[in-house]
Amino acid sequence: AQSVSQHNHHVILSEAASLELGCNYSYGGTVNLFWYVQYPGQHLQLLLKYFSGDPLVKGIKGFEAEFIKSKFSFNLRKPSVQWSDTAEYFCAVTPGRSNYQLIWGAGTKLIIKP
Amino acid sequence: GAGVSQSPSNKVTEKGKDVELRCDPISGHTALYWYRQRLGQGLEFLIYFQGNSAPDKSGLPSDRFSAERTGESVSTLTIQRTQQEDSAVYLCASSLAGTLQFFGPGTRLTVL
Repeated sequence: AQSVSQHNHHVILSEAASLELGCNYSYGGTVNLFWYVQYPGQHLQLLLKYFSGDPLVKGIKGFEAEFIKSKFSFNLRKPSVQWSDTAEYFCAVTPGRSNYQLIWGAGTKLIIKP
Repeated sequence: GAGVSQSPSNKVTEKGKDVELRCDPISGHTALYWYRQRLGQGLEFLIYFQGNSAPDKSGLPSDRFSAERTGESVSTLTIQRTQQEDSAVYLCASSLAGTLQFFGPGTRLTVL
């Protein structure tokens, strides 16, 4: 069965530290890849997405992610985190070109210490 | 409306009772999705509606779960004879066909 793995369930960083959250998926074909974020008390919202083209995608709030097809990975990065980045981050994949049936990782809770 | 809304925001029920959860999608969005999120886990797909097409019910975990959608508007997710393992946050999302999903705030269901 297709699955998405987020290896870090909790990450604690200090402000200005660099961030990398891992995401690996198990599906050999074409995929669409997403990172969603849920700030405390708020809805899930899209951070960035990859459908095709440049494998380095840039999202909102200075986040970026790199799709490495050979590693089945789509890691999220930010060079310098802020306290306001405290949130839960979810990686999701749609196998094939369908845009529903999102398969989700378990999420990573990120806490930024001021 | 401006965003996807869901009601109630919280629901506490006793084991064996039926519950009904409501989702109001963004106006004009033809696609509507229901997901379940158990504590500490990712979202599980439950069901997908697209326009007048037959819904994709492949994610519904048992025949106690059902969902309806009236046209391209409100959807209700019904859980009959609730069990404790049904306790979760139920999320609804909507989208234009084949595009990005926008999520509602969820309904937190607690089955005692």
